[in-house]
Amino acid sequence: AQTVTQSQPEMSVQEAETVTLSCTYDTSESDYYLFWYKQPPSRQMILVIRQEAYKQQNATENRFSVNFQKAAKSFSLKISDSQLGDAAMYFCAYDMNYGGSQGNLIFGKGTKLSVKP
Amino acid sequence: DAGVTQSPTHLIKTRGQQVTLRCSPISGHKSVSWYQQVLGQGPQFIFQYYEKEERGRGNFPDRFSARQFPNYSSELNVNALLLGDSALYLCASSLRLTGSDPYNEQFFGPGTRLTVL
Repeated sequence: AQTVTQSQPEMSVQEAETVTLSCTYDTSESDYYLFWYKQPPSRQMILVIRQEAYKQQNATENRFSVNFQKAAKSFSLKISDSQLGDAAMYFCAYDMNYGGSQGNLIFGKGTKLSVKP
Repeated sequence: DAGVTQSPTHLIKTRGQQVTLRCSPISGHKSVSWYQQVLGQGPQFIFQYYEKEERGRGNFPDRFSARQFPNYSSELNVNALLLGDSALYLCASSLRLTGSDPYNEQFFGPGTRLTVL
């Protein structure tokens, strides 16, 4: 069974600094997707960034980038120039692409990110 | 455009009661997934429906059931409520069931907070 592990329950960063959130996963599949979701106190889950396993190039979205290490099954999120609005729970998630089915996301336990002014 | 909507926002029930949670997907989205998020944990997949048929089921007891209507809205029912059912229930919709590139992204609603006393 696939699992997602986030070993950092809480992280803190100074405004304008850079922070990296860690995630490891376990799967026997070769074709899958990995995600970072953000859940602010308002509860609405928002997709931050997505990585396709078949792509070697790391995904980037503005200030957000990932370090995808497929062999090590590691998927970290780097937030550059941190802003107060980045404060939230961050979840790492996995979705297999087996048999064409998508949508059964497997989430880690989350990392609570605080941003200090 | 309206996002995914869920009702009610909050709900308080007692043990043994039954509850129905509702979800309206984004217009044009045909797939709906349900997740349970216990406090301090990541969401756990419960069900996925597509075109009114169940297409995926997580590791939840038979007390949990769901259905999807012709307008693609969905209901999640939980019978014989237990204290452990207290959680945030998230609904997510996506345009279709499958797809490789671009990824068939799921969009989450704000959730229904269920408290079982």
